[in-house]
Amino acid sequence: GDSVTQMEGPVTLSEEAFLTINCTYTATGYPSLFWYVQYPGEGLQLLLKATKADDKGSNKGFEATYRKETTSFHLEKGSVQVSDSAVYFCALSASGNTGKLIFGQGTTLQVKP
Amino acid sequence: GAVVSQHPSRVICKSGTSVKIECRSLDFQATTMFWYRQFPKQSLMLMATSNEGSKATYEQGVEKDKFLINHASLTLSTLTVTSAHPEDSSFYICSARDGRKQYFGPGTRLTVT
Repeated sequence: GDSVTQMEGPVTLSEEAFLTINCTYTATGYPSLFWYVQYPGEGLQLLLKATKADDKGSNKGFEATYRKETTSFHLEKGSVQVSDSAVYFCALSASGNTGKLIFGQGTTLQVKP
Repeated sequence: GAVVSQHPSRVICKSGTSVKIECRSLDFQATTMFWYRQFPKQSLMLMATSNEGSKATYEQGVEKDKFLINHASLTLSTLTVTSAHPEDSSFYICSARDGRKQYFGPGTRLTVT
């Protein structure tokens, strides 16, 4: 079945460092891909998405490119801030327009000043 | 953006009792809501899809008689954990679908003693 695999955390970075969180997926068909972020004490929020191969999703300085050939959707940011500290989830939409999402295990990012 | 609330945010109950968790879409009508379960340091696992006015659709391996879902209105879905046991202790998260977008609640921490 469909699945998502993320790099294990926690990831600890200094402010202004470069961030990469790896995400690979297995899916039948052509799913949409998402990154969600969960700040402490809050619900998951959509950070960015891509709906087809070679699409690049971007938001708040974060980027991820839908790579069909490597079945990947790695999250990157050029310069992280303390306020980026959160848990990041990679997800894909199950086939069909059901709205079902399949999540990776989440990666905790801690940014130190 | 759209807001989804959950109540309670935390609940402790004794083994053998039942507990109800509410999920509300505060500023939009949601014909579809989803219930997820999250174990520590693990992914969100979809439990069921809740459709207003019809029976919920449960994922494989989820006991429908144990996790009762009622989507009585376009803004409210409830999850009742019946005859709870310590292994049901978990973080339960709901989401509500508004068109093609999905919004998540902040989650409910259930502890069964």
